[in-house]
Amino acid sequence: DVKVTQSSRYLVKRTGEKVFLECVQDMDHENMFWYRQDPGLGLRLIYFSYDVKMKEKGDIPEGYSVSREKKERFSLILESASTNQTSMYLCASSTRTAALRTDTQYFGPGTRLTVL
Amino acid sequence: AQRVTQPEKLLSVFKGAPVELKCNYSYSGSPELFWYVQYSRQRLQLLLRHISRESIKGFTADLNKGETSFHLKKPFAQEEDSAMYYCALKDRGSTLGRLYFGRGTQLTVWP
Repeated sequence: DVKVTQSSRYLVKRTGEKVFLECVQDMDHENMFWYRQDPGLGLRLIYFSYDVKMKEKGDIPEGYSVSREKKERFSLILESASTNQTSMYLCASSTRTAALRTDTQYFGPGTRLTVL
Repeated sequence: AQRVTQPEKLLSVFKGAPVELKCNYSYSGSPELFWYVQYSRQRLQLLLRHISRESIKGFTADLNKGETSFHLKKPFAQEEDSAMYYCALKDRGSTLGRLYFGRGTQLTVWP
C-alpha cells in the first residue's frame, strides 16, 4: 500500500510566522504535489515536483515555496503566513514510469492550517 | 482557464434513486479523465478512470468527446456513497502527472 504522510493534522500559526509543512511518501514516486482544498473552490495546485530539486509552479504559487532535497520528501513553506492561507493542505504523489502506465495520485491525510 | 467544470456544488438523492454527477471539460489535447472521491474523515482517493472502462462500487463514467463530458452515474445510490466527488483531467501526453481538478460535488444520499 502506498503511504503518504504529512507531518501534522492540525496546525495553528500567527500572521507573519514562517510555516513548514512536510510530506513523505514511501513508494519511490517521482512526482509530488501540494494542493490547498477550500470549500467551493475544490483542489488548487500550489506547486509540484517531478524529481529531486525540481519544482514547477501550479495555479496559486504566490506566498508559497517548496523544497525537494530527497525523493521521498516534499516540503511546502509559507514564508510569512497570512490569514488568507488558512486552509486544508493536501500532499500527493504519483509515479511517472511509463511502463507502469499509472496516473493515480495518492493523497496524504491533509494538514488543516489556521493562521491567526 | 478552467479545464474541468462540475456545475453542481451540492447534490442530494434518496437511497435507491439513480444519481448522476456532472463533469464537463475543455481541453484541446487528448485528455484522460478521472473521478476522485473523499469520504468523511478519509483521504482523497481515486474512484475510477475513463481508460479502464470499469465499474467501481456500482459507479460508471463514460467519456463523451462530442459533449466533452465525463458524468459519473450510479443506478441505485446507497447511503455510503455520501461523499465529496472530484472530476479530474490529465494531458495524456504528459508524464509529469499533473491533474486539473474540478471544484467538486458534495453528494448526500438520504435514507
